[in-house]
Amino acid sequence: AQKITQTQPGMFVQEKEAVTLDCTYDTSDQSYGLFWYKQPSSGEMIFLIYQGSYDEQNATEGRYSLNFQKARKSANLVISASQLGDSAMYFCAMRFTGGGNKLTFGTGTQLKVEL
Amino acid sequence: ETGVTQTPRHLVMGMTNKKSLKCEQHLGHNAMYWYKQSAKKPLELMFVYNFKEQTENNSVPSRFSPECPNSSHLFLHLHTLQPEDSALYLCASSQDRRGTHQGETQYFGPGTRLLVL
Repeated sequence: AQKITQTQPGMFVQEKEAVTLDCTYDTSDQSYGLFWYKQPSSGEMIFLIYQGSYDEQNATEGRYSLNFQKARKSANLVISASQLGDSAMYFCAMRFTGGGNKLTFGTGTQLKVEL
Repeated sequence: ETGVTQTPRHLVMGMTNKKSLKCEQHLGHNAMYWYKQSAKKPLELMFVYNFKEQTENNSVPSRFSPECPNSSHLFLHLHTLQPEDSALYLCASSQDRRGTHQGETQYFGPGTRLLVL
């Protein structure tokens, strides 16, 4: 079975600091995709970054980077230079080849950016 | 801005009411999804439509009835709901390239917050 684990229910970070949100996954598939989404209090799920299992380089999108360690089955999200607007829930998700279009989500991490 | 819109944004209904949630995507995608997000639980996939055909029903009770008249519109018809159905209902869309790639990103709408009294 495919599973995503986010062990940090809540995180605090000071403005302008970097923060790492943890995500581990479990799959026997060789081909899969990993996603991070941000969900502000308004409810919308905002796509942040994607990593394919065969991508050799870590994905980056602006201040977001994905620290992909395939052997350890981890896909941590790194947010550099945190801003107050980064305060939100962050979800890690996985799409595996055998699952069609299905995304499996983790339970999320609530990030609070402080002054 | 989002290419996926949902209406209404908020809905309060009694257990005997019938209502519908609407989702529209403006991204030219061919796959659409309904998810349920309850408090303190991971997102749960409810239904998947590919090319207007339902390809996934994740053991959803029959009081939820999806409809996909075309690849841009998706409805969720609700009737005789229970209080435990109160949740955020999210619609998403993606471009499905039938088995050729594992990374089609799903783009979500803002959701409908549903309260069943």
